[in-house]
This record gives sequence, structure tokens and C-alpha cells, in this order.
Amino acid sequence: EVQLVQSGAEVKKPGESLKISCKGSGNSFSNYWIAWVRQMPGKGLEWMGIIYPSDSRTRYSPSFQGQVTFSADKSISTAYLQWSSLKASDTALYYCATTHYYASSGHLDSFALWGQGTMVIVSS
Amino acid sequence: DIVMTQSPLSLPVTPGEPASISCRSSQNLLHSNGYYYLSWYLQRPGQSPQLLIYLVSTRASGVPDRFSGSGSGTDFTLKISRVEAEDVGIYYCMQGLQTPITFGPGTKVDIK
Repeated sequence: EVQLVQSGAEVKKPGESLKISCKGSGNSFSNYWIAWVRQMPGKGLEWMGIIYPSDSRTRYSPSFQGQVTFSADKSISTAYLQWSSLKASDTALYYCATTHYYASSGHLDSFALWGQGTMVIVSS
Repeated sequence: DIVMTQSPLSLPVTPGEPASISCRSSQNLLHSNGYYYLSWYLQRPGQSPQLLIYLVSTRASGVPDRFSGSGSGTDFTLKISRVEAEDVGIYYCMQGLQTPITFGPGTKVDIK
């Protein structure tokens, strides 16, 4: 069974860039889409989008399109979430999770497995 | 976008007693394949969310059978037959019918 291990907490200044990771273990990682979910301090869950590490196809939530970039390296079963210029409002806990996406109809399966989360703090 | 609402937002519970959470969607979550793409998650304090229920009523692997899901159309319910102390946390419903995927605001369950 696949497991997701995320990179450690980050403290950055506004305007800095950042790339966090989500590494999958297990043979079936290549079969999954990876979803990214934001949780701002004391708030609920927000879907940011998905990436298919096998071919790096992506789909972004309109709320996050242009604000972040998803990428992946299938050779090491890792998905990435990156920012080119962080803002204080990017301070949040970021989760990755496994899912399946059906492009023909646009629906997603549930998020079966979650990473432990990466805390990102952006402060001057 | 499909808007998800939940009620109540706060639910004090007594161990051993039942509990119920309602989730409503702004659109019918029925896919043309006959399935409703509605799932439930529990986020225990300080932990990642975990999948409890998918496709309205199918329990995820390892989820105790005191958890059950039901509903159709735009109205869905998560029930806990007998609450245990480990059930405290925030419960979220999520629709997967169409992107952007949306979550309910969460229902905080704690012990009275």
C-alpha cells in the first residue's frame, strides 16, 4: 500500500520561493493522482488541485491557478508544490493525498491516503 | 462551484450515545454512472484528515462499523452509533463530482 511522506516545516520571508514535496512509497504510487489541500490556521480544508506524477498532467482549482505550480518526478515517486513568490497569506498547513481523476467526466475519487502535512510559515 | 454546508457546526457528544452530522450540497451529487461522489473525513486534533466514508455509504478500510453514511441527491448524513472518546475531532464532507472539489466547513465533535 502506498504511503505519503511530506517534507518538513518551512519558515520563509515574503517574496521568497519555496518547493515542498510529497514522496510516495509502494509499488502502486504511479497509479494515483496526487491532490494538494490547504488548511489555513484554524480553518477548513481547501482543494488546490491535482497532478498525475506518471505524466505530470495537472488540474488546478481556479482559486490557486497561477498562484502555485505542481510538478512531479516519477522516477522518485515524488510530487511537488511550489511558489515563486510567497505571501504572508500562504501561511498554512499543506497536505497531499491520493486520489483518482476521471478526465472524461471531471470527477474525482475520495482522498484515500493523506500525507502528514507540511507547515509553511511566511513572515517578515 | 458546488457549495457544501454542514450542520451542526459544533456537536458536543456523550460517550456511548449516537451522533449525527448533516451535509448538504448545492447541486445533486449523482454522477451518470449511478454513484454519488460524497465522502466523509475525520481530522483528529493535530492529525491529518483520514477517509471514513466514500460514495456516500462505503466505509474505508479499517473504519469501525459504528460509522455509517447515507443520503442521496443533495442531502447526506454521517452517523456514529455509539460515540467513543477517539471520535473527537472535525468531520468534513467533500464532493468529488466536479472540479473544483469542495469541502463542507466542518463539524467539530467533542465530548460533553
